[in-house]
Amino acid sequence: DADVTQTPRNRITKTGKRIMLECSQTKGHDRMYWYRQDPGLGLRLIYYSFDVKDINKGEISDGYSVSRQAQAKFSLSLESAIPNQTALYFCATSEERTGRAETQYFGPGTRLLVL
Amino acid sequence: QQQVKQSPQSLIVQKGGISIINCAYENTAFDYFPWYQQFPGKGPALLIAIRPDVSEKKEGRFTISFNKSAKQFSLHIMDSQPGDSATYFCAASRNSGYALNFGKGTSLLVTP
Repeated sequence: DADVTQTPRNRITKTGKRIMLECSQTKGHDRMYWYRQDPGLGLRLIYYSFDVKDINKGEISDGYSVSRQAQAKFSLSLESAIPNQTALYFCATSEERTGRAETQYFGPGTRLLVL
Repeated sequence: QQQVKQSPQSLIVQKGGISIINCAYENTAFDYFPWYQQFPGKGPALLIAIRPDVSEKKEGRFTISFNKSAKQFSLHIMDSQPGDSATYFCAASRNSGYALNFGKGTSLLVTP
């Protein structure tokens, strides 16, 4: 979805390096998410944010940190990358709908290789 | 700790056949059950979703069947087409304010 952009699209880094993945959205949504996808493991939630001042850990937050710089921007950092963080990373957004479940809109993904 | 279990992991169906993907959950607080479709090189996109107050929802060739007592739901793709070849994820969540719990995904290949 072009309304959710991720940079970079591909990245190769070395063990121990710090790396930041960025996500921007023009959908005007308050809620943003970071997932990682691994073959056979599906999509696992790393962090999510329901507004600029709200950050929550997901299922697999260890080794990751996030920053919500603005409503439209949500960055994921790997403080010291390790090879098992090699994965496809997705950012997603959703619009708050009180009392109703929300559709999540995913970006195109960032493919990360840690050597 | 997988809250949503999905099967099969992969599926091959001939063109015109029916593709069936199954999911099961344990948390009875879940009340929203979407299916996402992902094509290679793309992010997942919502395909169809159901709430537990109905047992079936149909949109075109795609149908969700929901069995609340068994805590199971499934996606049926009728008249499967090669263009349906993709990875399908089921998910579940509580109502607004909670994150989605995804299954591990099913890779569907529809052969000509």
